[in-house]
Amino acid sequence: GNSVTQMEGPVTLSEEAFLTINCTYTATGYPSLFWYVQYPGEGLQLLLKATKADDKGSNKGFEATYRKETTSFHLEKGSVQVSDSAVYFCALNNNAGNMLTFGGGTRLMVKP
Amino acid sequence: SAVISQKPSRDICQRGTSLTIQCQVDSQVTMMFWYRQQPGQSLTLIATANQGSEATYESGFVIDKFPISRPNLTFSTLTVSNMSPEDSSIYLCSVRTGGLSSEQFFGPGTRLTVL
Repeated sequence: GNSVTQMEGPVTLSEEAFLTINCTYTATGYPSLFWYVQYPGEGLQLLLKATKADDKGSNKGFEATYRKETTSFHLEKGSVQVSDSAVYFCALNNNAGNMLTFGGGTRLMVKP
Repeated sequence: SAVISQKPSRDICQRGTSLTIQCQVDSQVTMMFWYRQQPGQSLTLIATANQGSEATYESGFVIDKFPISRPNLTFSTLTVSNMSPEDSSIYLCSVRTGGLSSEQFFGPGTRLTVL
C-alpha cells in the first residue's frame, strides 16, 4: 500500500536559518506528491506539488524536488521566517484512487 | 479554487451525545471527503461523500458511527454519533474541484472535545 514517512518534529530554527524537512514515500505506480502547511488554528493549505519525476515544486520560497530514485520529496527553504512556524505535511496521491495519503506532520518553530 | 466553510468551528460535547458538522463549498465540486485529525496526529480519511448515494467509508470507520449526507454538489454533513472522549479530534471537510489529479482543498476544521 501507500505510505509517507516524514521526519519527526518539532524542528526549532532561528530566523534566516536553512530548513530541510525530509519526506520519503512508498507507492505503487507514479504518484503525485504534495506539501501542505497548517498554520495554528487553521485548516490545511497546499504549499506546493510535483506530479512527475524530477519536477520541482516551489512556492513562497519553499522548494521540493520529486526524486523517484530515492522515493523522496524533501522540503527546503533557504531562509525561514517566524511566520513560517506551522505544521508541514507531506502527502501523495497515487492517481488511481481518491485518497491522499499523509505523513505524520512536522512541526516547525522559528524563533526571532 | 474552492472556499470551504464548516460549522461549528468548535464544540464541547458530553459523552453519549451526537454532533452534526456542516460543510459548505462556494462552488460545485466533484468530490467531497471527511478527514479526522486526532490530537498531535496526521490526517486520516473517514469517508468519501457521494452525492445521491451512500458514502464510501475507509477501513475502521462505519456508517452507524459517522453517518454522512451529501444532498447536492456544494454541501455535506458528518455526524459523530454516540460520542466518547476518544472522538475528540479535528474534523476536516475536503474537496476536489476536478479529476483525480486536481488540487484538493481543505476546510478550516471543526475542533471537537468530548467530555
